[in-house]
Parts: sequence; C-alpha cells; structure tokens
Amino acid sequence: EAGVAQSPRYKIIEKRQSVAFWCNPISGHATLYWYQQILGQGPKLLIQFQNNGVVDDSQLPKDRFSAERLKGVDSTLKIQPAKLEDSAVYLCASSLDRGSSPLHFGNGTRLTVT
Amino acid sequence: LAKTTQPISMDSYEGQEVNITCSHNNIATNDYITWYQQFPSQGPRFIIQGYKTKVTNEVASLFIPADRKSSTLSLPRVSLSDTAVYYCLVGRTGANNLFFGTGTRLTVIP
Repeated sequence: EAGVAQSPRYKIIEKRQSVAFWCNPISGHATLYWYQQILGQGPKLLIQFQNNGVVDDSQLPKDRFSAERLKGVDSTLKIQPAKLEDSAVYLCASSLDRGSSPLHFGNGTRLTVT
Repeated sequence: LAKTTQPISMDSYEGQEVNITCSHNNIATNDYITWYQQFPSQGPRFIIQGYKTKVTNEVASLFIPADRKSSTLSLPRVSLSDTAVYYCLVGRTGANNLFFGTGTRLTVIP
C-alpha cells in the first residue's frame, strides 16, 4: 500500500510569514494526525481528525496554527504568522481507526524559520 | 497519564541481541504497548505492539510481564542499519494519553 505522503519536504521562511503543509493519508484510514517534532525530542501531537471532524486539538496553538481535513481525506496544516520557535519537523500520520491500530507516518516537512 | 521511562541511549556491537526496557507503572487496563523506530529524516515506523505476555514478528520480540508495568523490546542480532531512536508508547491510538517520550537512541557499532 502507498504510504502517507507529505509535501513539501523542506521549507525555509522568515518569521511572521505564513506557510502551509499538505498531507495525503493512507487510503481508507479514518484518523489523521499532525505532529510537531523539535530536534532531539519525540513527536508532539498537535491535532487529530476522525474523518473530517476534529477529535483533539488541545495542543494546537490556535492563535497561529490551523488545520483542516476536507472530505475526510487530505489535510493541510497552516502557520500564520510563523515564529522562530516553530522551526521543527511537521509529521503527518494516519491510522485505520482509533484503538489498537498503529500509526503510519509520512517523512515530514522540515520547517526552518529565520 | 501512562508516562513511560526508557534509557536515553544504548550502544551495541553488530550481531548482538539488544534489549530495551520501558517502564510504565501507570498503564491502564485497556492500554496497548507499542514500539516505533525512527531514522534521521524519516517519520517513526511501527515495529511491534502487544498487550500481555510475548509477541514476536519478523523484526523484533516484545516481552510483557504479568503486571504490565514494564516491557522489553528485543532486537535479535542487530546490524548497523538498526541504529535509530526507539520509542515506547503506552495507550490506545487516538487517545489523549498517547505520548512519545524522548526515546532510546540505539547506536550499533561495527
């Protein structure tokens, strides 16, 4: 099966600019997640979708981050305006359902904010 | 919260068996134990999952004692390509208690 696709692979922006990341999960996976991974740390969950509804966005900095999952398939994560501390890898993951299904990750987008 | 504790780093020679132990004293009755592997510039990759006793697949074995307060990931005969960070997660996928810690950085030495 095709894996989780993410683009772009790398992005460099200046602070206060905006940026968007795209994710296409594994076909048939109902649950989609966005994680932020800062260098040297484990991934941190930002937001979780079940189909096209938000299940958990408690860790999402909503003043600057937004995400949507149209039609319950692809998803975009946006940052506006970006701060220096947003420099990280943004990982998208999907799972068949919630419970015992493992997470399947894409290779992420490395964001550098200068 | 099902907090986990695992060693920050481990070194091993090629061909040896590596055991990485994870402590999770607050594991809940319906929590699973799942291990992921992460290489640089890649997302984490699922290795193995268990609930109790022992689970084995083509890549690793997972040993879980009866009290489920710890688990051990066993990698047989490691090679240089097993150098990676290994994460132990306790919980259910999609639950708000599922956290990645800092993981164990395994370095395999020739």
